[in-house]
Amino acid sequence: EDKVVQSPLSLVVHEGDTVTLNCSYEVTNFRSLLWYKQEKKAPTFLFMLTSSGIEKKSGRLSSILDKKELFSILNITATQTGDSAVYLCAVDVREEKLTFGTGTRLTIIP
Amino acid sequence: GAGVSQSPSNKVTEKGKDVELRCDPISGHTALYWYRQSLGQGLEFLIYFQGNSAPDKSGLPSDRFSAERTGGSVSTLTIQRTQQEDSAVYLCASSRSLDRTYEQYFGPGTRLTVT
Repeated sequence: EDKVVQSPLSLVVHEGDTVTLNCSYEVTNFRSLLWYKQEKKAPTFLFMLTSSGIEKKSGRLSSILDKKELFSILNITATQTGDSAVYLCAVDVREEKLTFGTGTRLTIIP
Repeated sequence: GAGVSQSPSNKVTEKGKDVELRCDPISGHTALYWYRQSLGQGLEFLIYFQGNSAPDKSGLPSDRFSAERTGGSVSTLTIQRTQQEDSAVYLCASSRSLDRTYEQYFGPGTRLTVT
């Protein structure tokens, strides 16, 4: 059974801190790994990673994939209160299916 | 342009009643997906459509769940004889095609509460 595990389950930090969110996976067929930000209900796409060691960056967010060790990390530097959300990791395992982790709930205290 | 829309946004129903949830995908997106998110859980994949066809129904949690899509556009997820464990947020997503699963755009979801 395909499995995606995220840690920590929740994280509370102060504004300005840097955070690292973790995602490990065990899947039968890896196509890509995706990160989403979920505020309220609808997840919004952040990154797609397919190759090991290549960092994807968008502003204060960055992510990297290690296909040998089967994990990815999402870094957020200089956190702001608007970064408070649930961050979801998903693995694209076949054409029609994403397998999601349970998410990390990030809370930024002003 | 318009995104994925879902209705209703919230639904409270009594145990044993049937409910119908609607998803209107982005125009031109041939692939449509339904997920369920229970409290504190990740997204659980339920079913996908390519056009009007749903080749794999094995992700549906029980035979009380069914889904259809007509005209390659709007999809409905029906839950018969609802149970309290059906309470969750039901999310719909669409993508241009199945080979672009990674480019799923999510709707705002329907929060279902079964009392």
